[in-house]
Amino acid sequence: AQSVTQPDIHITVSEGASLELRCNYSYGATPYLFWYVQSPGQGLQLLLKYFSGDTLVQGIKGFEAEFKRSQSSFNLRKPSVHWSDAAEYFCAVVYTGTASKLTFGTGTRLQVTL
Amino acid sequence: DAGVIQSPRHEVTEMGQEVTLRCKPISGHNSLFWYRQTMMRGLELLIYFNNNVPIDDSGMPEDRFSAKMPNASFSTLKIQPSEPRDSAVYFCASSYSVDRPLSYTFGSGTRLTVV
Repeated sequence: AQSVTQPDIHITVSEGASLELRCNYSYGATPYLFWYVQSPGQGLQLLLKYFSGDTLVQGIKGFEAEFKRSQSSFNLRKPSVHWSDAAEYFCAVVYTGTASKLTFGTGTRLQVTL
Repeated sequence: DAGVIQSPRHEVTEMGQEVTLRCKPISGHNSLFWYRQTMMRGLELLIYFNNNVPIDDSGMPEDRFSAKMPNASFSTLKIQPSEPRDSAVYFCASSYSVDRPLSYTFGSGTRLTVV
């Protein structure tokens, strides 16, 4: 079954520091990969997605992610974190041929210290 | 476009009562998804529809849960009878399944509390 693993439940970084959130997907058919962000009490907002082509994907709010097939990873990065980035981040995957079934990881909660 | 619209935003009900959650997908989208979010289980896909037809309901927890999509612009998720363990945030999402790359838009969710 398709699955996504986010090994870090909680991460704390200082404002201005760089950030990397890890995401690994189960090996299988060609994946479509997504990163969503959820602020407390809010819905899910799409940060970026990977379908094909350039493996480095740029998203909103200064985020980027790199698809590495050899490592089955799609890690999210930001060079300089802002206090407003504190939220929960979800990696998600859809595999071709699974009729659009979007499966989420367990999420990583980001705390930003001033 | 107003996005995916869910109602109500908050629902508090007593155990044993029937609860109906509603979702209006984005116009033109032909796939609709119901997710449940809890602290213990994270985001779970309950059921999804393609062209108003249920495709996969394997995530529906038990017979107390049912979902319908009578037309392309409306879906309901019903719980009858409700139990305290059903307390969660329920999200609806829609997409256009032919689009490549796929894109899913989520509603703001319904926070359900069963007391």
